[in-house]
Amino acid sequence: DQQVKQNSPSLSVQEGRISILNCDYTNSMFDYFLWYKKYPAEGPTFLISISSIKDKNEDGRFTVFLNKSAKHLSLHIVPSQPGDSAVYFCAASAWDDKIIFGKGTRLHILP
Amino acid sequence: KAGVTQTPRYLIKTRGQQVTLSCSPISGHRSVSWYQQTPGQGLQFLFEYFSETQRNKGNFPGRFSGRQFSNSRSEMNVSTLELGDSALYLCASKEGSGSGGEQYFGPGTRLTVT
Repeated sequence: DQQVKQNSPSLSVQEGRISILNCDYTNSMFDYFLWYKKYPAEGPTFLISISSIKDKNEDGRFTVFLNKSAKHLSLHIVPSQPGDSAVYFCAASAWDDKIIFGKGTRLHILP
Repeated sequence: KAGVTQTPRYLIKTRGQQVTLSCSPISGHRSVSWYQQTPGQGLQFLFEYFSETQRNKGNFPGRFSGRQFSNSRSEMNVSTLELGDSALYLCASKEGSGSGGEQYFGPGTRLTVT
């Protein structure tokens, strides 16, 4: 049973445009959500997180939106840059519990 | 501060053998989690250790085990290796336990079982 779902295995976006990566979850007990970015041959690196008491968190070019009623979160990257090409993992956890990751979305930034 | 280190980086084993992977967390971090990454499955949680105690465990068979030492270094062991165990094994450390807080990942150990 997949509790965190990233339904788009890949996404291609023109450089300079907005990249929107989506994530759905099923466990209503999740209260903390994270996005990680992973380059080949490296471990994932933390990008941005959001607590369930918020609906938006922004950090530079990255914004995460949380819609609790829809159990949906999204990561917006604007403007998209070539270095943003990577695999992005959405992750979620309930208080004091393990972090569950989605399967990832491969983002390609096109020149 | 040095990052999370994992050894070895690459490993080739044959079916039926056992393997031990090592993870050294960032200095001061007491929580270490292990993940398995395979194509199409994303990152799957194996277990988390905090202060030498296993706090959480994922849905993996008992062939997968781990431990944590008093210096927070952690090892993961897989016994009776199967072809399906071929994967990238990642460990991540953070200061506290439970949800919240930022995890820092190591580069991973790529295990190939032939």
